[in-house]
Amino acid sequence: GAGVSQSPRYKVAKRGQDVALRCDPISGHVSLFWYQQALGQGPEFLTYFQNEAQLDKSGLPSDRFFAERPEGSVSTLKIQRTQQEDSAVYLCASSLDDQPQHFGDGTRLSIL
Amino acid sequence: QKEVEQNSGPLSVPEGAIASLNCTYSDRGSQSFFWYRQYSGKSPELIMFIYSNGDKEDGRFTAQLNKASQYVSLLIRDSQPSDSATYLCAVNIGTGRRALTFGSGTRLQVQP
Repeated sequence: GAGVSQSPRYKVAKRGQDVALRCDPISGHVSLFWYQQALGQGPEFLTYFQNEAQLDKSGLPSDRFFAERPEGSVSTLKIQRTQQEDSAVYLCASSLDDQPQHFGDGTRLSIL
Repeated sequence: QKEVEQNSGPLSVPEGAIASLNCTYSDRGSQSFFWYRQYSGKSPELIMFIYSNGDKEDGRFTAQLNKASQYVSLLIRDSQPSDSATYLCAVNIGTGRRALTFGSGTRLQVQP
């Protein structure tokens, strides 16, 4: 079956621009997670949705980061006024409630 | 002290040998433990998960959990060159939290 789908795969933006990253979870998965992975490091948690409710946003590094999942399916992670330190791979994962998480291929974001 | 610690490696083993990957975690209350495999430039892929003390086997993979020692390991039997990747240990840190906390990963090299 189809896995977690993320788009775009690669995004290059100039410092100060806003970006939006999309995640389409596995069909039927109520839980959706965003992680940020820097080169050579493990993924770091950003935020978690159960259906449309954002239950945990403790990992969002600043108020420039915003995520939404308005209809409980597709989610968008938005980064405003991007900075060079935002360059990373952004991973989306989904799961059935209380089951292991499955990751998408990620969006590689480069801020120039 | 990091919440989830792994030796970064590289761990080099000959083809056909057993590879042993180790992980320690800080939160004694953690209940769920996961091993992900990540090839260079790819997303993490779930290999094993374990919730109870003891061993859990799946094909060539065995996960071992010792909650008293706050230690989880992954054994790969009959290692193949295709097993060469970074192995990420992940733990649900904090009561009831769905977010995963990852170690930095151990790079495994299987020599033909």
